This record gives sequence, structure tokens and C-alpha cells, in this order.
Amino acid sequence: SQTIHQWPATLVQPVGSPLSLECTVEGTSNPNLYWYRQAAGRGLQLLFYSVGIGQISSEVPQNLSASRPQDRQFILSSKKLLLSDSGFYLCAWTGGGRAGNEQFFGPGTRLTVL
Amino acid sequence: ELKVEQNPLFLSMQEGKNYTIYCNYSTTSDRLYWYRQDPGKSLESLFVLLSNGAVKQEGRLMASLDTKARLSTLHITAAVHDLSATYFCAVHQAGTALIFGKGTTLSVSS
Repeated sequence: SQTIHQWPATLVQPVGSPLSLECTVEGTSNPNLYWYRQAAGRGLQLLFYSVGIGQISSEVPQNLSASRPQDRQFILSSKKLLLSDSGFYLCAWTGGGRAGNEQFFGPGTRLTVL
Repeated sequence: ELKVEQNPLFLSMQEGKNYTIYCNYSTTSDRLYWYRQDPGKSLESLFVLLSNGAVKQEGRLMASLDTKARLSTLHITAAVHDLSATYFCAVHQAGTALIFGKGTTLSVSS
């Protein structure tokens, strides 16, 4: 069966510090991978998605970036965090195909920028 | 641009009563998904609706899809406290993305 991991689970960072969040998927190959952000009490904002190694599509211009160095690894980064970067970051995967657009979410990383 | 609207955004329910939440979307799509999110937790997939007229049921929840009306409903039968959560609908957009509604937060009280 497939599982998705995210770490860290929680993170408190000062403004201006760098960020690296990691997401890995097990039990599948060539997944589509997604990064979402959810601000407190708000809906989901799609940040990035990737259909393959090295292929990143950005949905929202911001100070964040994403990379996919391996098939089942997706990384979200920032060089300098802003207060507005606080939120709940969710990674998701899908296997593609007609029914495969169903997205499965990881446990999330709660980021607080102070 | 595909837009997904849910209403209501907040629903205070009484135990034992029936309720419906609605998900409207703006452009043609034949795939719609419902997710549940408990406070502080991630999203859990509830239903996958892949065709016009599709109906799925799980316990006290029933979801349906009308692609001609661009509408999905999530019906709650005899609400219980365990159903308190935020429910999101998401619609497939051409390409690979899902577009999510803002979510409906349900609160069940006795």
C-alpha cells in the first residue's frame, strides 16, 4: 500500500530564516506530487505541483520554491521566510489516470514564523 | 478559470437532524471529490464522484453529482457529534490540478 510522509511535523522559525520541508511517498512510482498551504481557518492554496523528476509548476508567485530531486521526493524551500508564510503545509500525491486524480494527503507540517 | 463554491461555510447542526451542503463549480468537469478535515489534521478522502448522476454513501453521509447543473451535494442523515469537521469539495481541472472549495465547517450539538 502507498504511504506519504512529511517532516517535520511542526516547525517554528524566525522571520528571514531558510526553510526546507520534505515529502516522500512509498509504494508507488512516478506519482504526481503537490504542495498546498492552508492558513489558519482557511481553504487550501495550491503552491506547486510536479509530474516528474525536475518538473515543477508554480501556481502562486511567492518567496517559496519546490524541487523534486527523486521520483518520490518533493521538497518545499525558502531562502527567507516571511510572517505570511505561517500555515499548515500539506503534501499530496496522485497516481494519475481517470480515477487517479484523487489526491491523498500527507499528515502536514505546521509552520509558525515569528 | 475554474471556481468552486461551497455553501454554507459554517453549519451548526442538531443531533438527529438532516442537513445538506452544496458545492457549485463554474466550468465543465466530470470528476468531483469530497474530503474531510478534523481540526489540526490533514485531509481524508471521503468520496470520489466520476460521472453525472453518481451517488456514493458511507454511513450517514451521501454525496451526489449533477454535472449538468455543475453541482454536488453532501447530505447528512441524522447528524451525530462524530461528524463535526470541515468538509471540502474539489473539482478536477484540465491538466493535473484539483481546485478546492473553501470548506464547510460542521458543528454538531446535542
